[in-house]
Amino acid sequence: DTAVSQTPKYLVTQMGNDKSIKCEQNLGHDTMYWYKQDSKKFLKIMFSYNNKELIINETVPNRFSPKSPDKAHLNLHINSLELGDSAVYFCASSQGRRSPSNEQFFGPGTRLTVL
Amino acid sequence: AQRVTQPEKLLSVFKGAPVELKCNYSYSGSPELFWYVQYSRQRLQLLLRHISRESIKGFTADLNKGETSFHLKKPFAQEEDSAMYYCALRGAGGTSYGKLTFGQGTILTVHP
Repeated sequence: DTAVSQTPKYLVTQMGNDKSIKCEQNLGHDTMYWYKQDSKKFLKIMFSYNNKELIINETVPNRFSPKSPDKAHLNLHINSLELGDSAVYFCASSQGRRSPSNEQFFGPGTRLTVL
Repeated sequence: AQRVTQPEKLLSVFKGAPVELKCNYSYSGSPELFWYVQYSRQRLQLLLRHISRESIKGFTADLNKGETSFHLKKPFAQEEDSAMYYCALRGAGGTSYGKLTFGQGTILTVHP
């Protein structure tokens, strides 16, 4: 299947732990994104990478560190997890950053619960 | 700054009734507007975009620059339309290049 995939789908962890969420796309896209959907379903961009280069970095705590080893992968590492980090994290990808055809394709989401 | 507002968190209609999901935006330049849909237990997916001027699953949306709105409409709602709908804006230039700004989302429920 050609798609955007994320692992794990669910992640339950204790406060203070460090965890990673992985994202892979096999669509041949050059731009990838991380979004956070909070408990009120509000969806907000966190980061964007284009050809492994960080191009968007919203006001996100530096405990969050994205890493893009290649164009097909964008991982999200979170240090010292806090209760407020509990959310659903969506990865997305697109071809190019702004053109009529660069629809963003979303992954299934990773539900992170911090206890 | 770019901002998207969906004033209705919840919207309920009966099958066959018209439905309109409201979206207003704030952006100083020339925006691109989108509607994304998330069905139960499925991933977020693009429904339509203003530049395509197309009708998808019976839904249409017209960009009204005067009113800065991009409302989503369907003349006859179906039960399978029940989902979360997000309006999104993509700006141009600077650090907003390529970034999608989403509204708060509207949960549409179509009753039989």
